[in-house]
Amino acid sequence: AQTVTQSQPEMSVQEAETVTLSCTYDTSENNYYLFWYKQPPSRQMILVIRQEAYKQQNATENRFSVNFQKAAKSFSLKISDSQLGDTAMYFCAFMNPPNFGNEKLTFGTGTRLTIIP
Amino acid sequence: DGGITQSPKYLFRKEGQNVTLSCEQNLNHDAMYWYRQDPGQGLRLIYYSQIVNDFQKGDIAEGYSVSREKKESFPLTVTSAQKNPTAFYLCASSSQGKDSPLHFGNGTRLTVT
Repeated sequence: AQTVTQSQPEMSVQEAETVTLSCTYDTSENNYYLFWYKQPPSRQMILVIRQEAYKQQNATENRFSVNFQKAAKSFSLKISDSQLGDTAMYFCAFMNPPNFGNEKLTFGTGTRLTIIP
Repeated sequence: DGGITQSPKYLFRKEGQNVTLSCEQNLNHDAMYWYRQDPGQGLRLIYYSQIVNDFQKGDIAEGYSVSREKKESFPLTVTSAQKNPTAFYLCASSSQGKDSPLHFGNGTRLTVT
């Protein structure tokens, strides 16, 4: 079974600074998908960014980017120019290859990020 | 607007009672999922369904039951056999596809006393 590990239960950073959240995973598959989800105090789960394992280029979405190291099974999230609205729980998630009946997400335990004004 | 609706937002029950959480989606998604969220444990998969009239157990299915009679609906019943039912429950859906992300509802907070 796949496992996802987020080793930083809590982090805080000053507004406008850059912060990196760590995520490692374990799988024997060669093709898979990785996601970062954000859960603000409203508890709504919001997709931040996604990465396909067979793509070497790191995904970027505005201020959010990932550092995907396939050999190390590492998938960190970098938030640049952090804003107060970035305060949330962040979950790393792994999805099996897209075979019928196998598309389910496995989540890490989350990192609580606080942006300090 | 398309989306996933979970109701109610807060639910209170006495111990020993079964309770059903509602999840409806109008995204025309084939797959639907139920996750449970507890502090410090992230999201854990309870049940999922890839197609109508079919569903599979997730990692923590004991004490729960589901049905998928319609594509749009995937209700979760928390039975009296669930030892620690108090939690936040999230429903999600996705279309079948190579990188389809999950779309989540707003969740239901269940408190059993």
